Amino acid sequence: NAGVTQTPKFRVLKTGQSMTLLCAQDMNHEYMYWYRQDPGMGLRLIHYSVGEGTTAKGEVPDGYNVSRLKKQNFLLGLESAAPSQTSVYFCASSYFSEPQETQYFGPGTRLLVL
Amino acid sequence: ELKVEQNPLFLSMQEEKNYTIYCNYSTTSDRLYWYRQDPGKSLESLFVLLSNGAVKQEGRLMASLDTKARLSTLHITAAVHDLSATYFCAPEETSGSRLTFGEGTQLTVNP
Repeated sequence: NAGVTQTPKFRVLKTGQSMTLLCAQDMNHEYMYWYRQDPGMGLRLIHYSVGEGTTAKGEVPDGYNVSRLKKQNFLLGLESAAPSQTSVYFCASSYFSEPQETQYFGPGTRLLVL
Repeated sequence: ELKVEQNPLFLSMQEEKNYTIYCNYSTTSDRLYWYRQDPGKSLESLFVLLSNGAVKQEGRLMASLDTKARLSTLHITAAVHDLSATYFCAPEETSGSRLTFGEGTQLTVNP
Protein backbone atom coordinates (compact mmCIF):
# COMPACT_ATOMS: atom_id res chain seq x y z
CA ASN A 1 0.00 0.00 0.00
CA ALA A 2 1.96 3.02 -1.28
CA GLY A 3 -0.59 5.65 -0.19
CA VAL A 4 -0.25 8.86 -2.20
CA THR A 5 2.65 9.15 -4.62
CA GLN A 6 3.75 12.10 -6.73
CA THR A 7 5.85 12.24 -9.88
CA PRO A 8 8.31 13.89 -10.36
CA LYS A 9 9.90 14.78 -7.03
CA PHE A 10 11.79 17.75 -8.43
CA ARG A 11 11.75 19.67 -11.68
CA VAL A 12 13.34 22.78 -13.16
CA LEU A 13 11.48 24.55 -15.94
CA LYS A 14 12.16 27.58 -18.06
CA THR A 15 9.52 30.28 -18.33
CA GLY A 16 6.93 29.30 -20.91
CA GLN A 17 7.56 25.57 -20.78
CA SER A 18 4.79 23.17 -19.92
CA MET A 19 4.68 20.15 -17.66
CA THR A 20 2.33 17.74 -15.96
CA LEU A 21 2.53 16.60 -12.36
CA LEU A 22 1.09 13.18 -11.62
CA CYS A 23 -0.58 12.16 -8.38
CA ALA A 24 -1.59 8.57 -7.76
CA GLN A 25 -3.36 6.99 -4.78
CA ASP A 26 -4.09 3.35 -4.07
CA MET A 27 -6.58 3.83 -1.23
CA ASN A 28 -9.70 4.02 -3.43
CA HIS A 29 -10.34 7.58 -2.28
CA GLU A 30 -13.01 9.59 -4.04
CA TYR A 31 -11.61 13.03 -3.31
CA MET A 32 -8.26 14.31 -4.54
CA TYR A 33 -6.62 17.71 -4.18
CA TRP A 34 -3.72 19.77 -5.46
CA TYR A 35 -2.14 22.36 -3.16
CA ARG A 36 0.82 24.65 -3.43
CA GLN A 37 3.00 25.69 -0.52
CA ASP A 38 5.16 28.78 -0.62
CA PRO A 39 7.75 29.75 2.01
CA GLY A 40 6.19 30.92 5.23
CA MET A 41 2.69 30.15 4.05
CA GLY A 42 0.21 27.44 4.60
CA LEU A 43 -1.15 25.33 1.83
CA ARG A 44 -3.39 26.90 -0.80
CA LEU A 45 -5.83 24.81 -2.77
CA ILE A 46 -5.35 24.92 -6.54
CA HIS A 47 -7.95 22.45 -7.84
CA TYR A 48 -9.74 19.47 -6.46
CA SER A 49 -11.87 16.56 -7.58
CA VAL A 50 -14.77 14.84 -5.86
CA GLY A 51 -14.78 11.87 -8.19
CA GLU A 52 -13.61 10.40 -11.46
CA GLY A 53 -14.31 12.77 -14.33
CA THR A 54 -15.02 15.79 -12.12
CA THR A 55 -12.83 18.75 -11.19
CA ALA A 56 -13.38 22.08 -9.45
CA LYS A 57 -11.41 25.25 -8.85
CA GLY A 58 -9.84 26.01 -5.54
CA GLU A 59 -8.40 29.20 -4.13
CA VAL A 60 -5.59 29.77 -6.68
CA PRO A 61 -6.51 28.00 -9.96
CA ASP A 62 -5.13 30.48 -12.50
CA GLY A 63 -2.35 29.11 -14.69
CA TYR A 64 -3.17 25.48 -13.87
CA ASN A 65 -5.39 22.80 -15.34
CA VAL A 66 -6.30 19.39 -13.97
CA SER A 67 -7.79 16.13 -15.12
CA ARG A 68 -9.16 13.07 -13.30
CA LEU A 69 -9.70 10.47 -15.98
CA LYS A 70 -9.14 7.59 -13.58
CA LYS A 71 -10.19 7.44 -9.95
CA GLN A 72 -6.69 6.76 -8.73
CA ASN A 73 -4.94 9.52 -10.67
CA PHE A 74 -5.12 13.30 -10.55
CA LEU A 75 -3.00 15.31 -12.99
CA LEU A 76 -1.94 18.92 -12.59
CA GLY A 77 -0.83 20.74 -15.73
CA LEU A 78 1.08 23.96 -16.23
CA GLU A 79 0.60 25.08 -19.81
CA SER A 80 3.05 27.99 -19.75
CA ALA A 81 5.12 28.07 -16.59
CA ALA A 82 5.89 31.37 -14.89
CA PRO A 83 8.41 32.14 -12.11
CA SER A 84 5.46 32.82 -9.78
CA GLN A 85 4.65 29.12 -10.03
CA THR A 86 7.89 28.19 -8.30
CA SER A 87 6.61 26.31 -5.30
CA VAL A 88 6.23 22.95 -3.61
CA TYR A 89 3.16 21.12 -4.84
CA PHE A 90 1.34 18.62 -2.67
CA CYS A 91 -1.33 16.20 -3.70
CA ALA A 92 -3.78 14.78 -1.18
CA SER A 93 -6.68 12.37 -1.16
CA SER A 94 -9.52 11.44 1.17
CA TYR A 95 -12.70 9.41 1.48
CA PHE A 96 -16.07 10.91 0.62
CA SER A 97 -18.26 9.37 3.26
CA GLU A 98 -15.85 9.18 6.19
CA PRO A 99 -15.52 12.63 7.83
CA GLN A 100 -13.29 11.25 10.52
CA GLU A 101 -10.79 10.38 7.84
CA THR A 102 -8.24 13.03 7.21
CA GLN A 103 -6.62 14.02 3.96
CA TYR A 104 -3.55 11.94 3.15
CA PHE A 105 -0.70 13.84 1.56
CA GLY A 106 1.89 12.86 -0.99
CA PRO A 107 5.61 13.61 -0.55
CA GLY A 108 5.50 16.78 -2.65
CA THR A 109 6.98 18.00 -5.92
CA ARG A 110 9.47 20.85 -5.84
CA LEU A 111 9.17 23.00 -8.94
CA LEU A 112 11.57 25.76 -9.89
CA VAL A 113 10.66 28.01 -12.81
CA LEU A 114 13.53 30.11 -14.14
CA GLU B 1 -14.69 32.86 2.35
CA LEU B 2 -13.16 30.99 5.26
CA LYS B 3 -10.10 32.71 6.74
CA VAL B 4 -7.81 31.10 9.28
CA GLU B 5 -5.43 32.76 11.72
CA GLN B 6 -2.90 30.87 13.77
CA ASN B 7 -0.88 32.35 16.56
CA PRO B 8 1.82 32.49 17.33
CA LEU B 9 3.47 31.96 13.95
CA PHE B 10 6.83 31.29 15.58
CA LEU B 11 7.30 29.67 18.95
CA SER B 12 10.56 28.92 20.64
CA MET B 13 10.23 27.08 23.90
CA GLN B 14 12.32 25.13 26.33
CA GLU B 15 11.95 21.46 26.99
CA GLU B 16 9.54 20.52 29.76
CA LYS B 17 7.54 23.74 29.33
CA ASN B 18 3.86 23.95 28.35
CA TYR B 19 2.37 26.10 25.65
CA THR B 20 -0.75 26.54 23.51
CA ILE B 21 -1.14 27.29 19.82
CA TYR B 22 -4.35 29.02 18.82
CA CYS B 23 -6.33 28.67 15.61
CA ASN B 24 -9.14 31.14 14.91
CA TYR B 25 -11.35 30.93 11.85
CA SER B 26 -13.81 33.35 10.37
CA THR B 27 -16.94 31.44 9.39
CA THR B 28 -18.90 28.47 10.61
CA SER B 29 -17.09 25.16 10.49
CA ASP B 30 -17.96 21.99 12.36
CA ARG B 31 -14.79 20.06 11.65
CA LEU B 32 -11.15 20.91 12.03
CA TYR B 33 -7.89 19.10 11.34
CA TRP B 34 -4.40 19.52 12.73
CA TYR B 35 -1.29 18.55 10.77
CA ARG B 36 2.40 18.43 11.47
CA GLN B 37 5.12 19.14 8.91
CA ASP B 38 8.82 18.49 9.44
CA PRO B 39 11.27 20.58 7.36
CA GLY B 40 11.35 19.42 3.75
CA LYS B 41 8.71 16.79 4.39
CA SER B 42 5.05 16.25 3.70
CA LEU B 43 2.14 16.80 6.07
CA GLU B 44 1.22 14.25 8.68
CA SER B 45 -2.22 14.12 10.23
CA LEU B 46 -2.34 14.67 13.99
CA PHE B 47 -5.97 15.16 14.97
CA VAL B 48 -9.44 15.21 13.47
CA LEU B 49 -11.95 17.20 15.54
CA LEU B 50 -15.49 16.49 14.42
CA SER B 51 -17.79 18.47 16.69
CA ASN B 52 -18.11 21.26 19.21
CA GLY B 53 -16.31 20.40 22.42
CA ALA B 54 -14.21 17.67 20.83
CA VAL B 55 -10.94 16.97 22.58
CA LYS B 56 -8.26 14.62 21.32
CA GLN B 57 -4.96 13.73 22.96
CA GLU B 58 -1.90 11.95 21.67
CA GLY B 59 1.18 11.87 23.84
CA ARG B 60 2.19 15.42 24.77
CA LEU B 61 -0.28 17.04 22.37
CA MET B 62 -3.93 17.79 23.05
CA ALA B 63 -6.29 19.48 20.62
CA SER B 64 -9.72 20.96 21.27
CA LEU B 65 -12.47 22.58 19.24
CA ASP B 66 -14.99 25.26 20.18
CA THR B 67 -17.17 25.81 17.14
CA LYS B 68 -19.19 28.56 18.81
CA ALA B 69 -16.05 30.63 19.41
CA ARG B 70 -14.58 29.45 16.08
CA LEU B 71 -11.45 28.48 17.93
CA SER B 72 -9.24 25.44 18.15
CA THR B 73 -6.25 25.00 20.40
CA LEU B 74 -3.25 22.70 20.31
CA HIS B 75 -1.74 22.35 23.76
CA ILE B 76 1.78 21.10 24.26
CA THR B 77 2.65 19.57 27.61
CA ALA B 78 6.23 19.18 28.78
CA ALA B 79 7.71 19.81 25.36
CA VAL B 80 10.52 17.67 24.01
CA HIS B 81 12.87 18.35 21.11
CA ASP B 82 11.11 15.80 18.90
CA LEU B 83 8.06 18.06 18.79
CA SER B 84 9.99 20.69 16.82
CA ALA B 85 8.04 21.09 13.56
CA THR B 86 5.48 23.33 11.87
CA TYR B 87 1.88 22.78 12.94
CA PHE B 88 -1.07 23.64 10.74
CA CYS B 89 -4.74 23.86 11.57
CA ALA B 90 -7.30 23.43 8.80
CA PRO B 91 -11.03 23.92 9.33
CA GLU B 92 -13.34 22.34 6.81
CA GLU B 93 -15.73 24.47 4.79
CA THR B 94 -19.38 23.81 5.54
CA SER B 95 -19.94 22.68 1.97
CA GLY B 96 -17.64 19.82 2.83
CA SER B 97 -14.60 18.35 1.12
CA ARG B 98 -12.41 21.48 1.24
CA LEU B 99 -9.96 22.52 3.93
CA THR B 100 -8.52 25.99 4.46
CA PHE B 101 -5.08 25.96 6.04
CA GLY B 102 -3.64 28.42 8.50
CA GLU B 103 -0.15 29.85 7.91
CA GLY B 104 1.35 27.40 10.33
CA THR B 105 3.12 27.70 13.68
CA GLN B 106 6.82 26.95 13.54
CA LEU B 107 7.71 25.36 16.86
CA THR B 108 11.28 25.01 18.06
CA VAL B 109 11.92 23.17 21.30
CA ASN B 110 15.30 23.97 22.79
CA PRO B 111 17.13 21.71 25.24
